[in-house]
Amino acid sequence: DAKTTQPNSMESNEEEPVHLPCNHSTISGTDYIHWYRQLPSQGPEYVIHGLTSNVNNRMASLAIAEDRKSSTLILHRATLRDAAVYYCILTKGGPTNAGKSTFGDGTTLTVKP
Amino acid sequence: KAGVTQTPRYLIKTRGQQVTLSCSPISGHRSVSWYQQTPGQGLQFLFEYFSETQRNKGNFPGRFSGRQFSNSRSEMNVSTLELGDSALYLCASSSLTSGRSDTQYFGPGTRLTVL
Repeated sequence: DAKTTQPNSMESNEEEPVHLPCNHSTISGTDYIHWYRQLPSQGPEYVIHGLTSNVNNRMASLAIAEDRKSSTLILHRATLRDAAVYYCILTKGGPTNAGKSTFGDGTTLTVKP
Repeated sequence: KAGVTQTPRYLIKTRGQQVTLSCSPISGHRSVSWYQQTPGQGLQFLFEYFSETQRNKGNFPGRFSGRQFSNSRSEMNVSTLELGDSALYLCASSSLTSGRSDTQYFGPGTRLTVL
């Protein structure tokens, strides 16, 4: 499976935007970019995903580089509840590949009041 | 819709025992995956079931097994428990729409402690 690289930790101030980077230089054409986050004592929670184009949802935005070798998760206004470990993973499309995801160490986001 | 549920939430066992964990996926989801999460190894994929068949398997010993029932509910079993099996076991379900990368929805996990 293609691997992703994320910074171990990042800090942000409350109500400021946060840009969480992810490198995936060995991404293949069929790989989707998924972001999950895990709050303390909880299971991972889906945040957003995309293939080639930038994506927005109520939680965040995903900016994907033109060559797809990197992406950035954007939290527009960080809150204390956004403090979590953020995972960027690559998943292959199609039913035979679903359900098997390789998680790295993720980025621990600290939000300061 | 109700989310993914896992039972029990906490479990304490001793070495050599076996344990069975249960997972109920989101209604309509037919794919169930299991992951082990430890501080040292992070989140590691165990196996995935779809329509009662194991379709993908991670790199874990045969002591780890699972099954899926016709209603998509899944169980995983760990036999001959070792101290290193202490972990958070997470279950995730997805709707497995053909041709797309399906999002996984995780349960809260079962915290297993082996003494």
